[in-house]
Amino acid sequence: KAGVTQTPRYLIKTRGQQVTLSCSPISGHRSVSWYQQTPGQGLQFLFEYFSETQRNKGNFPGRFSGRQFSNSRSEMNVSTLELGDSALYLCASSPDRSYEQYFGPGTRLTVT
Amino acid sequence: KNEVEQSPQNLTAQEGEFITINCSYSVGISALHWLQQHPGGGIVSLFMLSSGKKKHGRLIATINIQEKHSSLHITASHPRDSAVYICAPAQGGSEKLVFGKGTKLTVNP
Repeated sequence: KAGVTQTPRYLIKTRGQQVTLSCSPISGHRSVSWYQQTPGQGLQFLFEYFSETQRNKGNFPGRFSGRQFSNSRSEMNVSTLELGDSALYLCASSPDRSYEQYFGPGTRLTVT
Repeated sequence: KNEVEQSPQNLTAQEGEFITINCSYSVGISALHWLQQHPGGGIVSLFMLSSGKKKHGRLIATINIQEKHSSLHITASHPRDSAVYICAPAQGGSEKLVFGKGTKLTVNP
C-alpha cells in the first residue's frame, strides 16, 4: 500500500495570507490526525478527523481549521498567517483509535 | 510541569552499546507510542503499547501503567539508530497524543 502523502512538501507564505495543506491517508484508513512541530514547542496535536467528523481538537486558535472528505483525504487551513505559524505540519493516518499511526513526510511552512 | 517527561534529552553512545530512554507521564492513558524522527523530519512509529513489553529486532519497549513510566531500549546500537526518539502517550478517552520533547541519540562508529 502507498504511504501517507502530504502536499505540498514546502511552502513559503507571507504574514496575513492563508494556506491550505493536504493529506492523503493510507487506503482504508479512516482516521487522520494533524500535528504541528516547532523547535520551541515540539510536537503538538492540532485535530483528528474520522469519517468526515472532527473527533478531537487541540489548543490552537480558530485560525486553524480542517476538514475531511468522503475518501478520507484531509485538508487543514491556516488563515491570517503569523510568523509563529512557521513549522513542520505532519499528518498521520490510522484505521481507527487504538491503532498505530502512520505519519506522512510533513509540509514545512515558512511564514515571512 | 510537563505532562510527559523524557530523559535524557541528549545521549551519545558508541556503536554496540545498550541504550535506554525513559519516559514518565502524568496523564491517564490508553496506550503509549514510541516514535523515531530522523533529520529531515520523517516520523516512524516504532511501538504502540498499553501493557507489558514489545520487541522488534534490536528495539524493546516496556511500560508500567501503575508507575506511569515507559522505557525504550536499543541493544547493540548502530550509527543508523541516530535519531530523535519521542514518547507519546495517548490520553485515555480522547486518544489525543501528547508528546515528550524527545531524546536526541547519536551513535558513533
